[in-house]
Amino acid sequence: AQKVTQAQTEISVVEKEDVTLDCVYETRDTTYYLFWYKQPPSGELVFLIRRNSFDEQNEISGRYSWNFQKSTSSFNFTITASQVVDSAVYFCALSVPPGYSSASKIIFGSGTRLSIRP
Amino acid sequence: GAGVSQSPRYKVAKRGQDVALRCDPISGHVSLFWYQQALGQGPEFLTYFQNEAQLDKSGLPSDRFFAERPEGSVSTLKIQRTQQEDSAVYLCASSFMKKANTGELFFGEGSRLTVL
Repeated sequence: AQKVTQAQTEISVVEKEDVTLDCVYETRDTTYYLFWYKQPPSGELVFLIRRNSFDEQNEISGRYSWNFQKSTSSFNFTITASQVVDSAVYFCALSVPPGYSSASKIIFGSGTRLSIRP
Repeated sequence: GAGVSQSPRYKVAKRGQDVALRCDPISGHVSLFWYQQALGQGPEFLTYFQNEAQLDKSGLPSDRFFAERPEGSVSTLKIQRTQQEDSAVYLCASSFMKKANTGELFFGEGSRLTVL
């Protein structure tokens, strides 16, 4: 079975601090994709990044960086020099290749609520 | 509009009422998903359409839930005889890719259903 665990329910930091959101996943598939989505107060989930299981290179995009480690089944997300606008709920997610007639069911973790205090 | 549009944004129903939630995906997007998000939880898969074909409905919690996408664009999620446990935000997402396991999903803002 596939599962995504985000153990941190809520995190609160002061603006400009660095913060890391943890994500641990479980799957028996060798081919899979990992995602991070951001959900601001308005409600819509916004796609941030996708990694496939064969690419363990870390990625940096501006103040955001992602650390993918297959050995520990983790896909952690770090925000450097956090800003108030980063306040949102962040979801880690996992998908596996679909069957012939089925969709890929993207499985979401329970989310981490991040609050950045000015 | 340019994004995924859902209506109504908020719906209050008395237990036992039927409700219908609408999703307008991004024009041209092949894949359409419905997710249910309970308070404080991550979204959970309900059903998937590829154009007008409902290829996966394994996530629908009961036969009171029904979804359709008759012309391959707008989709409606219908819940019959609503129960309190149906209270949640219902999210619609679309993708230009079939299957969509590799592509990003574009989500709407959701329809928040409260069943009294």
